[in-house]
Amino acid sequence: DSGVTQTPKHLITATGQRVTLRCSPRSGDLSVYWYQQSLDQGLQFLIQYYNGEERAKGNILERFSAQQFPDLHSELNLSSLELGDSALYFCASSVDWGISYEQYFGPGTRLTVT
Amino acid sequence: DAKTTQPNSMESNEEEPVHLPCNHSTISGTDYIHWYRQLPSQGPEYVIHGLTSNVNNRMASLAIAEDRKSSTLILHRATLRDAAVYYCILRDLYQAGTALIFGKGTTLSVSS
Repeated sequence: DSGVTQTPKHLITATGQRVTLRCSPRSGDLSVYWYQQSLDQGLQFLIQYYNGEERAKGNILERFSAQQFPDLHSELNLSSLELGDSALYFCASSVDWGISYEQYFGPGTRLTVT
Repeated sequence: DAKTTQPNSMESNEEEPVHLPCNHSTISGTDYIHWYRQLPSQGPEYVIHGLTSNVNNRMASLAIAEDRKSSTLILHRATLRDAAVYYCILRDLYQAGTALIFGKGTTLSVSS
């Protein structure tokens, strides 16, 4: 158990819908990362937050957005869903934002868009 | 970004040592070498990282070539639980973001 929790574990929804994925980082971790894992693209970085502020963006679509709240939990919002958005979404956290700090990954949310 | 090259797959027997290679010929002086692994149906987990010197921890050892253009992750005694995808990732000390950039990794199979 990494200490990172993600809810829900599974999510099935239809095209065009909007969903919210939630992540609670390890206690004390200030940095949160979101990653997407699909069969064709592999593991891809989406976005990073540090202590409530966006720190870096990766291959995140404009239909996707995220935020980190004062209690440090984070939410990833996916809207106008397409079939290709079906994937595993992982949240990871680290104590700080430097590369010396290992990232702890949650168990993921499996999103299926039908 | 400097890239890494890993074999697609490797096989091992239980209780034998495993050497997982990674080539990174364009590595820069500020790139750290990180290894993560992903067990089936789980999120990735940190294994080890280093800059120039060989590193050991409870999970594995990391051997870094003198010219730093390659490295090897060593699992001293493979167990069935070590069957996973192993990712070798370069992380620049001065990169703007600190996200992990995953390649395809090496799928390690362990037989009993």
